[in-house]
Amino acid sequence: DVKVTQSSRYLVKRTGEKVFLECVQDMDHENMFWYRQDPGLGLRLIYFSYDVKMKEKGDIPEGYSVSREKKERFSLILESASTNQTSMYLCASSLGAGIQGQYFGPGTRLTVT
Amino acid sequence: KQEVTQIPAALSVPEGENLVLNCSFTDSAIYNLQWFRQDPGKGLTSLLLIQSSQREQTSGRLNASLDKSSGRSTLYIAASQPGDSATYLCAVRRMNRDDKIIFGKGTRLHILP
Repeated sequence: DVKVTQSSRYLVKRTGEKVFLECVQDMDHENMFWYRQDPGLGLRLIYFSYDVKMKEKGDIPEGYSVSREKKERFSLILESASTNQTSMYLCASSLGAGIQGQYFGPGTRLTVT
Repeated sequence: KQEVTQIPAALSVPEGENLVLNCSFTDSAIYNLQWFRQDPGKGLTSLLLIQSSQREQTSGRLNASLDKSSGRSTLYIAASQPGDSATYLCAVRRMNRDDKIIFGKGTRLHILP
């Protein structure tokens, strides 16, 4: 089975802190994604990566950056956390070419105070 | 622009009933459609993936159908159980090279014991 893990289930940070969210997948998937999920807004794509060191902006990249140095790991970085970045963050991976669909991690509930 | 709609937003049914969840999408040029389940505060679990060339997929008590020409998919749950209570989301992958998917906002299902 595909396994996608995220470094933390719950995280509390202060405004202005630099925050790292880590995601690791164990199935050699090419594609990896970061979403945030907010009540009433659904899932929104922040960034995605289709290969090592490659990244593309999603629908809401402002205030975020990403890093993919190794195929299995995709990191989301909040350079200077703000209260409006309090959210559930979900990481996903896929094999590519839509063969198997996307597989999700358990999510990180981030609270910025 | 592809839009995915799920109606109703919430649904309560007595245990044991068969039920249908609906998903519609505006652009029929899709690569596949995926149904997910999400428990409160958790990540997404993939239930069924239907490729554009398929009409339906089944897994246990779940059956998903796809009518690409009319832009509709349904998720049929037979003999509902309290453990089926969750939010169900559908997502479509567009016919392009990237593997991004567009999510509906989900139907929150409550099975009454």
